[in-house]
Amino acid sequence: QSVLTQPPSVSGAPGQRVTISCTGSSSNLGAGYDVHWYQQLPGIAPKLLIYGNINRPSGVPDRFSASKSGTSASLAITGLQAEDEADYYCQSYDRSLSGPLFGGGTKLTVL
Amino acid sequence: EVQLVQSGAEMKKPGESLKISCKASGYSFTLYWIGWVRQMPGKGLEWMGFIYPGDSEIRYSPSFQGQVTISADKSITTAYLQWSSLKASDTAIYYCARLAAPGTSHVGWFDPWGQGTLVTVSS
Repeated sequence: QSVLTQPPSVSGAPGQRVTISCTGSSSNLGAGYDVHWYQQLPGIAPKLLIYGNINRPSGVPDRFSASKSGTSASLAITGLQAEDEADYYCQSYDRSLSGPLFGGGTKLTVL
Repeated sequence: EVQLVQSGAEMKKPGESLKISCKASGYSFTLYWIGWVRQMPGKGLEWMGFIYPGDSEIRYSPSFQGQVTISADKSITTAYLQWSSLKASDTAIYYCARLAAPGTSHVGWFDPWGQGTLVTVSS
């Protein structure tokens, strides 16, 4: 089954650094497909945060960074701020699905 | 500015039909895939399918094949998602989103997203 696995929740205090993992398989991340990340603030549509594994769209603070290696990827947020409290989703292409695949999402709580 | 504006919230009864829309502006509508994504209450994002308006090629997620119909009208740069017979389990927010890279390859990321359409199905 095509799955991208994320931790259900992470938390951190203001100013701290947190990471969110995204683990896939040989049909998605391991096949060389890029990973992308979205931020979904409460009650708002998802917004692109990172594309092509490491790239930030214009307007996304450099506190957000990401990496990918093999079948895993991660999103790092440094200098946590209250406004970062949101759900974060990874997404890649899955060749078994022949389409986009989202991770289950991670809820970030800023303590 | 590239923008996707979706139709408003809907409240329907089980068995009724529904068609929601996603109006695109600010780019060449026929050159980019537009996808539909479901978010059930308190749950994550699920890709349902997408359409390439240039030649009307449509791809569905196996989970949604036969459950919904995706279409587009190039003349008014609008994509649609429709149901012929709604179920209570179709209650969700539905987002349209554009695949960010132009062309017929359907690999990539979604940007921008529409604001979402809340569909509530209840007797």
